[in-house]
Amino acid sequence: SQQGEEDPQALSIQEGENATMNCSYKTSINNLQWYRQNSGRGLVHLILIRSNEREKHSGRLRVTLDTSKKSSSLLITASRAADTASYFCATAGLSGAGSYQLTFGKGTKLSVIP
Amino acid sequence: EADIYQTPRYLVIGTGKKITLECSQTMGHDKMYWYQQDPGMELHLIHYSYGVNSTEKGDLSSESTVSRIRTEHFPLTLESARPSHTSQYLCASSESVLGGPQETQYFGPGTRLLVL
Repeated sequence: SQQGEEDPQALSIQEGENATMNCSYKTSINNLQWYRQNSGRGLVHLILIRSNEREKHSGRLRVTLDTSKKSSSLLITASRAADTASYFCATAGLSGAGSYQLTFGKGTKLSVIP
Repeated sequence: EADIYQTPRYLVIGTGKKITLECSQTMGHDKMYWYQQDPGMELHLIHYSYGVNSTEKGDLSSESTVSRIRTEHFPLTLESARPSHTSQYLCASSESVLGGPQETQYFGPGTRLLVL
């Protein structure tokens, strides 16, 4: 399985602080994606980083990818209460059936305290 | 907000009932997916479709079935609901990239199912 594993499982920070979440995976991937899920809702795509990229930015988000360590990190700078959500990494790679599929990790639950 | 819709949002039903969870998208995406997610846990792929009349089972075994008669519609059916089916069911879609891997998936709001 190429399942991603997020770390930590839960994170609580003050508004304005930075939040860092990590994701590790097991097999080779084509790309890695981060999604956000507000409580009781569907997932929203945040950012995609391809296997030949090392770092990517989008607004207050910064994602890094280290394919040699099979790990990725998501940094949210200057956090806001509205960033409170669960964050999932998803790896895109070949499934046993020979097609590409996304495999999601267990997520990091982020709480930003006003 | 993605143009992908799921109904109902919440469903409480008794054991043995047949249920259908609806999912529709207006983005013209050829690929659609059903995931099962227990509270605080990861998503598990239970069904996917790469186009009309194409359906495949995902990594997690499920007693549910799906159909894809129209591009925009991907309903999931449980012939006889059981308490073990209690979970959140998320529908998603993506646009196929020729020769490429999975790109961004767009998710619906989910259906929370409780089987008594």
